[in-house]
Formats: sequence, structure tokens, C-alpha cells
Amino acid sequence: EVQLVESGGGLVKPGGSLRLSCAASGFTFSSYSMNWVRQAPGKGLEWVSSISSSSSYIYYADSVKGRFTISRDNAKNSLYLQMNSLRAEDTAVYYCAIRDYYGSGSFDYWGQGTLVTVSS
Amino acid sequence: QSALTQPASVSGSPGQSITISCTGTSSDVGGYNYVSWYQQHPGKAPKLMIYEVSNRPSGVSNRFSGSKSGNTASLTISGLQAEDEADYYCSSYTSSSTWVFGGGTKLTVL
Repeated sequence: EVQLVESGGGLVKPGGSLRLSCAASGFTFSSYSMNWVRQAPGKGLEWVSSISSSSSYIYYADSVKGRFTISRDNAKNSLYLQMNSLRAEDTAVYYCAIRDYYGSGSFDYWGQGTLVTVSS
Repeated sequence: QSALTQPASVSGSPGQSITISCTGTSSDVGGYNYVSWYQQHPGKAPKLMIYEVSNRPSGVSNRFSGSKSGNTASLTISGLQAEDEADYYCSSYTSSSTWVFGGGTKLTVL
């Protein structure tokens, strides 16, 4: 069974940093692209970042470019999101998701999410 | 990258069919067959319902179907059931090698 478990969320002050983790199991982690998607309270989904299976291709949404860094450790079956210079508008539930498990271009399995709150 | 355009809400009675539209541009929906749809119940993670415009993952009911014409994709749910009441989001790959979601549609089963 595919499982994705996010951790690392919490309360942080504006300008602060936080590192999210996503532990994967039940599939061959090193074979799939992984993504972070966020959802602000009461709002819709927003794609944040994508990393290919071998970390060769990395992409970011304009809203986080230069502040967030996605990475992965295939030996540990783990995905990470380093978030720096956090702003109030970064407050959201952050989900990790497998991409292209079934086909192409879709987020096929999601974790339960971890809440990041940026507030003074 | 602007969000894809979805109606804020749709409703239908049990047994009826509804369709949710998702309008983008030639740089996203119209340019690629990488349109997907997600169902999200309150407090839960999104669930993939349709990928590559019209394909259903294993385990998703065949009451859910997807299509695309030009820059607009559509999700149709036939034989509405109470458990279908949820938020639905579309997503598309873009020419910038990024992904964009729709604003979401709240489905109410009357």
C-alpha cells in the first residue's frame, strides 16, 4: 500500500525557516517524480514544487522561487522542502504527492498533509 | 501562471448527472493531454479521480468520466450519490514545465 507521511509543520514567525519531510513507503520511491502541493485555509490547491526521480529536474511555482528548495534522498525514501524567508501567505497545509504513478502529469497519491502557520 | 477557471459551485439531485468545467489556455489545458481531476472531502487529502483527460485510476467508479475540447476540460459525474458531495479540482501541466490547479468547485447533492 502506498503511504506518504508528511512532518515538520508548525508555527513560525515571518522571515523564519522550516523544513518539511515526507516519508514514503509501499512503492519504489526512486522511480517516481515527487511534488509538494499546498492549500491555504479555506482556499484551493496550489502546486509548489516538483522534483524528478533522480533530482535532475526541479521546478518551482513563481510564488516560492528563490525561497523554497525541494530535495529528496532515495536511499531514505524521503522528500524534503526547505522553506526560508517565510511569509504570512505561505500559511497552508502542505501535501506531498507522487506524480505519474498511473499515467502522466497527475498527482496520483497524496499524504495527509502538514500544517505550516506563519504568524508573529 | 493564472489558475484554471472552474465554477464555484454546482448541484444536483441523487441519480442525476452533473458536469464541471475547467477552462484554461493553449499553454495548459489546450496544449497537453495532462489534465487531471481530484476529489476532496472536508478535512481530507485530495484523491485522484481522472488522469490524462479521461482515464480512471483503479478503484474509481465508472460514474466519473472526463473529456476535453479545446481549452476546456470537463468532469462528468453520472448517477449522483450523496458520497459524491465534495470539492473538485482540475489540474493541468503547463508550457512552463509547471502545474496549475483550478479554483475548485463545490458539489452539493440535494
